[in-house]
Amino acid sequence: DVKVTQSSRYLVKRTGEKVFLECVQDMDHENMFWYRQDPGLGLRLIYFSYDVKMKEKGDIPEGYSVSREKKERFSLILESASTNQTSMYLCASGGAYYEQYFGPGTRLTVT
Amino acid sequence: QQPVQSPQAVILREGEDAVINCSSSKALYSVHWYRQKHGEAPVFLMILLKGGEQKGHDKISASFNEKKQQSSLYLTASQLSYSGTYFCGTPLGYKLTFGKGTLLTVNP
Repeated sequence: DVKVTQSSRYLVKRTGEKVFLECVQDMDHENMFWYRQDPGLGLRLIYFSYDVKMKEKGDIPEGYSVSREKKERFSLILESASTNQTSMYLCASGGAYYEQYFGPGTRLTVT
Repeated sequence: QQPVQSPQAVILREGEDAVINCSSSKALYSVHWYRQKHGEAPVFLMILLKGGEQKGHDKISASFNEKKQQSSLYLTASQLSYSGTYFCGTPLGYKLTFGKGTLLTVNP
């Protein structure tokens, strides 16, 4: 079974803090993704990576950056957290047919 | 372009059937289906790769009509455990574009 883990299930940060969310997959997948999910807005893609050190912006990249130094690890960085970044963050790993395997999610609250 | 799902929500009694539809304005080569239970992450259910192909997962099956650019998810003899939000996803390069989801509630 594919396993995708995320560093925290719940996180509370203050406005202006730098926030790191980490994601690790164990299936040697090339593609990894970061989404945020908000009520009524569905799943929105923030960034994705199709190879080590390769990244592309998704639909809502503003205020975020990513890092992929190793194939199994994909990090999402909030450079200066703001209250409108309070959300559920989901990492996913992509299989051969682009099917996605999601981690458990991190519920981030920015106060 | 985001696929369009219908209905937005459906309420069933245990044992009833339901159909969830997913349509796209663009040509489709595959369609994915996911289920997300309340408070959990989405889980991949199945992928349909060919026109008219049907696949199954327990009593959940799906069809895919390439020409109509549509897919349908069939939930037969629904169980309480089927409750959740169902998403379809359509590939766009390396990415998937997800529909907004259909909230399925199964009551005893």
